[in-house]
Amino acid sequence: SQELEQSPQSLIVQEGKNLTINCTSSKTLYGLYWYKQKYGEGLIFLMMLQKGGEEKSHEKITAKLDEKKQQSSLHITASQPSHAGIYLCGADHTSGTYKYIFGTGTRLKVLA
Amino acid sequence: DAGVIQSPRHEVTEMGQEVTLRCKPISGHDYLFWYRQTMMRGLELLIYFNNNVPIDDSGMPEDRFSAKMPNASFSTLKIQPSEPRDSAVYFCASSFGFYNEQFFGPGTRLTVL
Repeated sequence: SQELEQSPQSLIVQEGKNLTINCTSSKTLYGLYWYKQKYGEGLIFLMMLQKGGEEKSHEKITAKLDEKKQQSSLHITASQPSHAGIYLCGADHTSGTYKYIFGTGTRLKVLA
Repeated sequence: DAGVIQSPRHEVTEMGQEVTLRCKPISGHDYLFWYRQTMMRGLELLIYFNNNVPIDDSGMPEDRFSAKMPNASFSTLKIQPSEPRDSAVYFCASSFGFYNEQFFGPGTRLTVL
């Protein structure tokens, strides 16, 4: 099973709607990162969360870390076609050695 | 800065051939990562370097895969011999410090026939 599970796997929303993507870890989190990937391109860093309860925002995207639940959520307010792409969470499950893994990804499509 | 540079962007080769992928990290970054992305397995970390030294290569799938970083501005990922199941997009990323943002290159799309 995947150590980082994202839900939903894919999402289609109408422009202007809000949406939430979740990332759940099966192991203790020492840092949680959100990236966005446009189809056929590399990943672009969105934000990093390190402390339980931490919440960060960038334009219309907000991410929150729930350390106890080992879960992070990414919320997009008033979605736009430019938000379309694949959202991936990445995490460090440090247990003696650095181990950086990525989630399964969520494909987002925003209909104009 | 031009960002992380990867070459080639696309590579089509026949099974059994040697493939070499190249990466130039962002100047000043001390970590370099090689990833592979497929539809089935998602994004997987293959190996990463710190100050040109390989730290963790546990993600390298087989002995057919090897990676080097001869200096701070260049790294290669080599597959010899290549197989059709190696077809994927290979990304290189670099960062300043392990816990900081990783900057990804545009990737190399490898197709092994």
